[in-house]
Amino acid sequence: KNQVEQSPQSLIILEGKNCTLQCNYTVSPFSNLRWYKQDTGRGPVSLTIMTFSENTKSNGRYTATLDADTKQSSLHITASQLSDSASYICVVSGGGSYIPTFGRGTSLIVHP
Amino acid sequence: DAGVIQSPRHEVTEMGQEVTLRCKPISGHDYLFWYRQTMMRGLELLIYFNNNVPIDDSGMPEDRFSAKMPNASFSTLKIQPSEPRDSAVYFCASSLGVAEENTEAFFGQGTRLTVV
Repeated sequence: KNQVEQSPQSLIILEGKNCTLQCNYTVSPFSNLRWYKQDTGRGPVSLTIMTFSENTKSNGRYTATLDADTKQSSLHITASQLSDSASYICVVSGGGSYIPTFGRGTSLIVHP
Repeated sequence: DAGVIQSPRHEVTEMGQEVTLRCKPISGHDYLFWYRQTMMRGLELLIYFNNNVPIDDSGMPEDRFSAKMPNASFSTLKIQPSEPRDSAVYFCASSLGVAEENTEAFFGQGTRLTVV
């Protein structure tokens, strides 16, 4: 069964600090992995997509990594800002289905 | 383009009433998706359309739920009769292709449904 597990479920950090969110998946065969950011009261917005051949990809202060061998991805946020407070959702495509598999997200709160 | 537009943003209704959620996808996008999001289960795909044709509705919870896409610029999700357990945020999304093709799905702002 295709599954995506995210950890931690929630995280509280101080402004300016770094943090790393984890995503483990069992989806096989693998097509791609996308990280979404969802602000409160809004729809998810894509941050980055990782394909099989990519190990690292950055989008400003966000850096995603992918280890296709261990089926793990991480999202690293550098020098966090209050606006980073949101839910971060990992979505994996593949597994013989056109329907991607969603993680339940990590809720990040950045305190001043 | 204004993005994916959903209406209403909030809906409060009594149990047993019919509820209709509306969505206008991004022009030119061939795929339209309806999702439901709850704290317990996260985001769940209910149904998706390709060129206005329903392709996979295996995520629709039961016969009380139905979705239509009469044309390329409009879709509805209807719940009849509604029940308290249907309370959730419903998202509509559209894309040029499926996720496997590395295409991005663009989400609307959602409709928060409360059934009392």
